[in-house]
Amino acid sequence: DQQVKQNSPSLSVQEGRISILNCDYTNSMFDYFLWYKKYPAEGPTFLISISSIKDKNEDGRFTVFLNKSAKHLSLHIVPSQPGDSAVYFCAASGEYGNKLVFGAGTILRVKS
Amino acid sequence: DAGVIQSPRHEVTEMGQEVTLRCKPISGHNSLFWYRQTMMRGLELLIYFNNNVPIDDSGMPEDRFSAKMPNASFSTLKIQPSEPRDSAVYFCASSDSYGYTFGSGTRLTVV
Repeated sequence: DQQVKQNSPSLSVQEGRISILNCDYTNSMFDYFLWYKKYPAEGPTFLISISSIKDKNEDGRFTVFLNKSAKHLSLHIVPSQPGDSAVYFCAASGEYGNKLVFGAGTILRVKS
Repeated sequence: DAGVIQSPRHEVTEMGQEVTLRCKPISGHNSLFWYRQTMMRGLELLIYFNNNVPIDDSGMPEDRFSAKMPNASFSTLKIQPSEPRDSAVYFCASSDSYGYTFGSGTRLTVV
């Protein structure tokens, strides 16, 4: 039973447009959420996070939105760049520093 | 710091053989995690250690899998005997209060 779900295996976006990656979770005890980015032959790297006390966190071109009532979060990338092409993993934790539960990932392709 | 170091980067082995994956966490990180990446399930947590003590091994798929952390600077994940369905990329990660750092992974192929 997957507690963190990324229902879109892949997404293709034109350079300069917005990329929106979605993630749903089932465990109401999760209170910290993260997005990781993974290039081929490399380990995942931290991108952005959000605590459950907030509904939005922004870092440059990346913004994460959290809707606790819907148990849904999304990552917006604006504008998308070809270098953003990677696998994006959503992750959740019940306590910062505790184990992270990951989704299956979404492959983002940004076309130039 | 060189980051989390995993070895080998690639491993090809025959079914039934023993496989040992190795991980050196970042110095000062007190938690270590082993994850497995597959196309269907993404990143699955297999086991994690806190201060060298196994805390949660509920993700270890079968008794064929075992993990040890004899000291703060080294951990192993062993599969014995290996099976083709164990083929995946295995990641080690370590963390402190600031977050996780992943290694580059070991791509395991069991033929």
